[in-house]
Amino acid sequence: SAVISQKPSRDICQRGTSLTIQCQVDSQVTMMFWYRQQPGQSLTLIATANQGSEATYESGFVIDKFPISRPNLTFSTLTVSNMSPEDSSIYLCSVEGTVRETQYFGPGTRLLVL
Amino acid sequence: AQSVTQLGSHVSVSEGALVLLRCNYSSSVPPYLFWYVQYPNQGLQLLLKYTTGATLVKGINGFEAEFKKSETSFHLTKPSAHMSDAAEYFCAVSAGGGKLIFGQGTELSVKP
Repeated sequence: SAVISQKPSRDICQRGTSLTIQCQVDSQVTMMFWYRQQPGQSLTLIATANQGSEATYESGFVIDKFPISRPNLTFSTLTVSNMSPEDSSIYLCSVEGTVRETQYFGPGTRLLVL
Repeated sequence: AQSVTQLGSHVSVSEGALVLLRCNYSSSVPPYLFWYVQYPNQGLQLLLKYTTGATLVKGINGFEAEFKKSETSFHLTKPSAHMSDAAEYFCAVSAGGGKLIFGQGTELSVKP
């Protein structure tokens, strides 16, 4: 399985500001995923990020709000833009392992927007 | 379209008792199924997965799950609960293109 790290692990932000979350993997992977876990809720896929192409966003998520970069095969960033308290969530990145369809998750970034 | 339903948002068992967490799925293609565990303030850890082959799948920490196609179920069990098993458990089904669809989660409490 891949070892995944995220920065920051948690943050408290003011509304209207933006936060960029970093995801680093210890091996090269084709597909990376970004999820949101709202308080007490399950995980919802925000977007899929493949290196060398634009991220693919799920219904209800747009690039202007959640821009994603994928500059190489071991790194990705997710920006939460113009934040509001409703953006308070855990944001997790994941990667597909060597077994197809199997995902491994980072520790998450806990975001509180005031 | 794929979907997952976890029956019971909260399950409480006594230490040493059987753990049974229920998961039913809907999939238009042969599914890949997963159970993940999330301990407080941590990310998700893969417990076990079913892709093809043997329908009884063994995972980490003594957990196992059985894929029953006729019942569209993938229930998670452990013969004897331990205090350290207290966590949130998520069932997930593959949705193609590497994506996963998650159930709502079941919080497991273990009483001494």
